[in-house]
Amino acid sequence: AQSVAQPEDQVNVAEGNPLTVKCTYSVSGNPYLFWYVQYPNRGLQFLLKYITGDNLVKGSYGFEAEFNKSQTSFHLKKPSALVSDSALYFCAVRDERYSSASKIIFGSGTRLSIRP
Amino acid sequence: SAVISQKPSRDICQRGTSLTIQCQVDSQVTMMFWYRQQPGQSLTLIATANQGSEATYESGFVIDKFPISRPNLTFSTLTVSNMSPEDSSIYLCSVEEGSANTGELFFGEGSRLTVL
Repeated sequence: AQSVAQPEDQVNVAEGNPLTVKCTYSVSGNPYLFWYVQYPNRGLQFLLKYITGDNLVKGSYGFEAEFNKSQTSFHLKKPSALVSDSALYFCAVRDERYSSASKIIFGSGTRLSIRP
Repeated sequence: SAVISQKPSRDICQRGTSLTIQCQVDSQVTMMFWYRQQPGQSLTLIATANQGSEATYESGFVIDKFPISRPNLTFSTLTVSNMSPEDSSIYLCSVEEGSANTGELFFGEGSRLTVL
């Protein structure tokens, strides 16, 4: 079985400050990990993914995420938040043993609010 | 990445009616995925639409309620039948891109349905 958890429903950060959106996962094999962002009235946009290799993954809009195998985490980070980063963020995971994208499961989402 | 167009972007429907959502991709893809995002919730996979064969439905979703067509490699439709207010959701079409078995999902803008 596989699962993914986003422990925070909402994260509030002041503009210019660093932000972190947390994600933990559980899989039997090795994980493929993803982050998506959803702006109001829009579909999901892919931000970044970890498959293998360097634990620090860089993605779109200045976001990065760090894979930590011992803590089974894949937290999303950005050094300096922008008001335009305010959106709903989803973490997703798939066990490498599954070959189909249909096996990707999504977390419950974290609403990020950046105040000016 | 693929450009995915969905129609309608939103609609207000009466209880008991049915609505068909269209999804057009600008490139040929083997599998297309239909997701539901209920208000304030995460994404749930409804079914995988395969060209030339019947769709594969996830647990809790049935063909009578959510019939799917996949006439070619760039197009699919999802019908929400005999709608009730509980069907009010965003319905998202998605395709997988990237390397085989490690690809990420790309989404259309979604179709927001409100059932009265």
